[in-house]
Amino acid sequence: DGGITQSPKYLFRKEGQNVTLSCEQNLNHDAMYWYRQDPGQGLRLIYYSQIVNDFQKGDIAEGYSVSREKKESFPLTVTSAQKNPTAFYLCASSTGSSGNTIYFGEGSWLTVV
Amino acid sequence: GQNIDQPTEMTATEGAIVQINCTYQTSGFNGLFWYQQHAGEAPTFLSYNVLDGLEEKGRFSSFLSRSKGYSYLLLKELQMKDSASYLCAPLGGGFKTIFGAGTRLFVKA
Repeated sequence: DGGITQSPKYLFRKEGQNVTLSCEQNLNHDAMYWYRQDPGQGLRLIYYSQIVNDFQKGDIAEGYSVSREKKESFPLTVTSAQKNPTAFYLCASSTGSSGNTIYFGEGSWLTVV
Repeated sequence: GQNIDQPTEMTATEGAIVQINCTYQTSGFNGLFWYQQHAGEAPTFLSYNVLDGLEEKGRFSSFLSRSKGYSYLLLKELQMKDSASYLCAPLGGGFKTIFGAGTRLFVKA
């Protein structure tokens, strides 16, 4: 079945550690996105990529990094520079064309301990 | 600037009809999405409007007025499983989708 797979579902991080969240899609979508959601809040865009080997900062990119070496994959690294990383992280993809519907993975819960 | 305004919470009774309003301001406009999000889960696509008017899809309908920067989601024959957050998401300039904080809908028996 086509879809977006995020892993891990739950992750705990110690202060000062970097962690990487995986996102893989087999929908043949050109565009991929990472959003952060805090409890009771909306989705905020961290990074997005419209094509392989290219990505753009979203509204809250500080403390995060991404890569887009393959069309199917868009991993997100939460670095130690991100001071408040505990949140629900959502990876998404779309065709990238006009009226493109964004489809989401199941999300990853990151907690700093 | 970019801004999305939705009510924070709404409560309705099973079997009733509820309308969730959304006003928006974006830099450029290429349509508007509505998503449903159950607690702890990812959002799922409900509807997309690019032209003015009402789009009906089963129990859910969505309306758009571009000149007023206004949309609403209409849910009919409410069921308990409709208890969720509903996200208004305009597609702005550069085809960048902007998500509002959402409206938490509580359906009571």
